[in-house]
Amino acid sequence: EDKVVQSPLSLVVHEGDTVTLNCSYEVTNFRSLLWYKQEKKAPTFLFMLTSSGIEKKSGRLSSILDKKELFSILNITATQTGDSAIYLCAVVHTGNQFYFGTGTSLTVIP
Amino acid sequence: NAGVTQTPKFQVLKTGQSMTLQCAQDMNHEYMSWYRQDPGMGLRLIHYSVGAGITDQGEVPNGYNVSRSTTEDFPLRLLSAAPSQTSVYFCASRDTGTSYGYTFGSGTRLTVV
Repeated sequence: EDKVVQSPLSLVVHEGDTVTLNCSYEVTNFRSLLWYKQEKKAPTFLFMLTSSGIEKKSGRLSSILDKKELFSILNITATQTGDSAIYLCAVVHTGNQFYFGTGTSLTVIP
Repeated sequence: NAGVTQTPKFQVLKTGQSMTLQCAQDMNHEYMSWYRQDPGMGLRLIHYSVGAGITDQGEVPNGYNVSRSTTEDFPLRLLSAAPSQTSVYFCASRDTGTSYGYTFGSGTRLTVV
């Protein structure tokens, strides 16, 4: 059965800390992995990863994929209170089905 | 460019009532989906459509119906609401054939009492 597992489920850090969020998957016919950030409402797209070892970066956020070990990490450096959100990982099957993880809830305390 | 528009934003139903959650997109996306999000469960696919006139079941379809008469609209119908359907519902759309990602609506918080 295809599945996506995110860890930790929740995390509380202080402003300025660096955090690493994990996403492991067991999905046959992998096509890509996506990260989303969900604040109060709808998830918004962060990154799409298709190739191993190539880091995607946007400001203080970065992400990398390891297709051999079947996982991805999302790093956030120098966290701010505005980073508080649920971070969702989704793996896309070659049939274009999306499999979402349960998400990691990040709280950044001033 | 409105993106994906969902209505209503909030709804309270009594057990046994029926209702329709509306979803419309103006991006000419072929692929549309309905998800529900529950604490600790992530986003679970209810139904999806790969184009007008074509719908299929997702992971948790029981108790829900959909139709896709136009590319733009993809309503979700609750046939006889149950407390287990209390959830946040998201409609999402994307281009078929790309895995770039969904555009999500703002969600509907549904409570069934």
